[in-house]
Amino acid sequence: EAQVTQNPRYLITVTGKKLTVTCSQNMNHEYMSWYRQDPGLGLRQIYYSMNVEVTDKGDVPEGYKVSRKEKRNFPLILESPSPNQTSLYFCASSFSSQGPYEQYFGPGTRLTVT
Amino acid sequence: KNEVEQSPQNLTAQEGEFITINCSYSVGISALHWLQQHPGGGIVSLFMLSSGKKKHGRLIATINIQEKHSSLHITASHPRDSAVYICAVEYDFGNEKLTFGTGTRLTIIP
Repeated sequence: EAQVTQNPRYLITVTGKKLTVTCSQNMNHEYMSWYRQDPGLGLRQIYYSMNVEVTDKGDVPEGYKVSRKEKRNFPLILESPSPNQTSLYFCASSFSSQGPYEQYFGPGTRLTVT
Repeated sequence: KNEVEQSPQNLTAQEGEFITINCSYSVGISALHWLQQHPGGGIVSLFMLSSGKKKHGRLIATINIQEKHSSLHITASHPRDSAVYICAVEYDFGNEKLTFGTGTRLTIIP
C-alpha cells in the first residue's frame, strides 16, 4: 500500500530535550516536505526536499533541522525544543518537484513541549 | 503577499443538503488542491486542479483561473462528510510548495 508513515504519532517532551520525528514514504517520491498545523494559522511549511541531499527552508524553519540521506526518509529534528514548537506536524511527499503533482500526507505527529 | 482565503470558516447543514465551500487566491497559480482532514487529524488529497472541473463520486471541484477562485461542492451530503476541508495552492515558483487556507469546518447533522 502506498503510504507516508510518521513516528511517533504522539510525543510529550520537555524543553531542550532533542528529538527526531521520522518520516518515510514507499512511493519512490522525489519531493518531501514538513508542515506544522496550528489553530487559526493553518498549515505552514517548515522544510522541503527536492531530492536526496537537496533540502531548503520553508516559511517557518527556525528551530528545526532536516536531512535527506535516502530517498524514502526525511526526518525532522528539533535540537532544543521549546513550548512554541507544540503543534501538529505532517510530513508529505509527491512524485517530483517539477509538478504539479498530488501530495500524499502522513498521519501526523502531535508534539507537546512543556 | 500570497494569500489563500476560504469561506465560510464554519458550515453546519442537514443531511442531504448541497454544500459549497469557496476558495480565493491572490496571484497566478500552477495548481489548486482540495484536502480533507477528519477529526482524527489525517489529511487526504481530494482533488488537484489546474483548470475546469473534476468530479469524484458526490464531490465536485471547479476552478476559474481568471477569477482566481475555486469551489468544492458536495451533493447529497452525509454525516460522514463532516470534516475540515482545506484549499491549498501551488504558485508558479518551480517547486511543489503549498500555501494553505485556514480550512472550512463542515458539520452534517443527521
